[in-house]
Formats: sequence, C-alpha cells, structure tokens
Amino acid sequence: QVQLKETGPDLVQLTQTLSITCTVSGFSLTTYNVHWVRQPPGKGLEWMGAMWNGGGTDYNSAFKSRLSISRDTSKSQVFLKMNSLQTDDTAKYFCARHVAYTTDPFDYWGQGVMVTVSS
Amino acid sequence: DIQMTQSPSFLSASVGERVTLSCKASQNINKYLDWYQQKLGEAPKLLIYNTNNLHTGIPSRFSGSGSGTDYTLTISSLQPEDVATYFCLQRNSWYTFGAGTKLELK
Repeated sequence: QVQLKETGPDLVQLTQTLSITCTVSGFSLTTYNVHWVRQPPGKGLEWMGAMWNGGGTDYNSAFKSRLSISRDTSKSQVFLKMNSLQTDDTAKYFCARHVAYTTDPFDYWGQGVMVTVSS
Repeated sequence: DIQMTQSPSFLSASVGERVTLSCKASQNINKYLDWYQQKLGEAPKLLIYNTNNLHTGIPSRFSGSGSGTDYTLTISSLQPEDVATYFCLQRNSWYTFGAGTKLELK
C-alpha cells in the first residue's frame, strides 16, 4: 500500500529553520521521485523542489539558497530543510511521488503538515 | 517560467449540471497538464493526467481536453461530492499550479 506521511513541527519561530520528514512506504525511493509542494492558508499550491530517484535534487528558484532536500533510502525518508523562515512561509507542506523517467503525474500525496511561522 | 491561469476562480452550479473549468498556460505545454481535486483539509487528488487520461478509480463523469496553451476539465453531471477546489498543474517545464477554481452547489 502506497503511503507518504509528512512529520514536522506545528510552529516555527521567525528566522529559524524548518525541518520536515516525508516517510514513504509501498515503493522505493530509487524508483520514484519525491516532490515537495506547499500551500499557504486559503491559497494555491507551489512546487518547491524534488529529490530525484538517483539522489539528485532540483529547487524552485523562488526559494534561492534557503531550501535543501535530502534523503535516507535505508529509512525510506526524504527531508526538507528551509532556513530564514518568514511569516509568509506559513503553509501546509506536502510531499508527493512520481515515477522516474516517465511522463506520469504526481499520483500519491501525503496528507501534509501545517506549519505556522510565529514572531 | 510558465504561468497558469485558471478560470473562473469561483463557480456555482446545480446537481446534474455540466461544468467546465479552464486552465490557460503562458506558453505551449505539450499536453503535460494534470487536474487535481482538493477538498477542505485534504491532500490534492489526481483526476486527470496528460490532458485527457482518467486516473485509476476516478468516475467517468470527469474528462479533460486541450492542447497548446488551453485546457479544460469537464464534469458531465455534477454530483454533491464534487464540491471542492480544482487545480491544474503543468509539467512541461518544471512545475506550475494554477490558482484554483472553487466549485460549489447552487
């Protein structure tokens, strides 16, 4: 059974660093890419970046050098770290998968974790 | 960067009505266009991928069409459980979502 589950803090202080873990089951991180997408309250979705099946990464330029994505394949986990948080980083953060080397879409998503940046 | 413009932003329709939602790209996206349904507090759910392919388990009242820069999601007969926000996503050049269409019952 395919599952993705995000875990992370509910609240992060202004200018601090956000760390979220996406734990997957039912598929291999060496076969699927995992993407991070966020959604501010009441707003649309924004692609943040990807961990490719081969271990490489790509990021939305909007996040410049604030964002880092890594993984531990032995634990089936993908990690998001973003520093210098501001109030407009308050959002629900999702991870989603898609089959590597195909034109297939993001077919399974986690339920997301809501993160509030507080001053 | 490719921009995606969805219209309308808000739509009110009756049960049984045919509903059409639109998504326009700022440049040709070669049919790499997906549609998602999102209900309040839930993750997005894939409905249609690559313009017109129905995802597994999705009712046949949902369909997609389009090419170039213009794409459409059609619900042939609106059901109460279709109340949700619908997003499009282009995957031709990186990934860009539309701002969404909120669909409610009249």
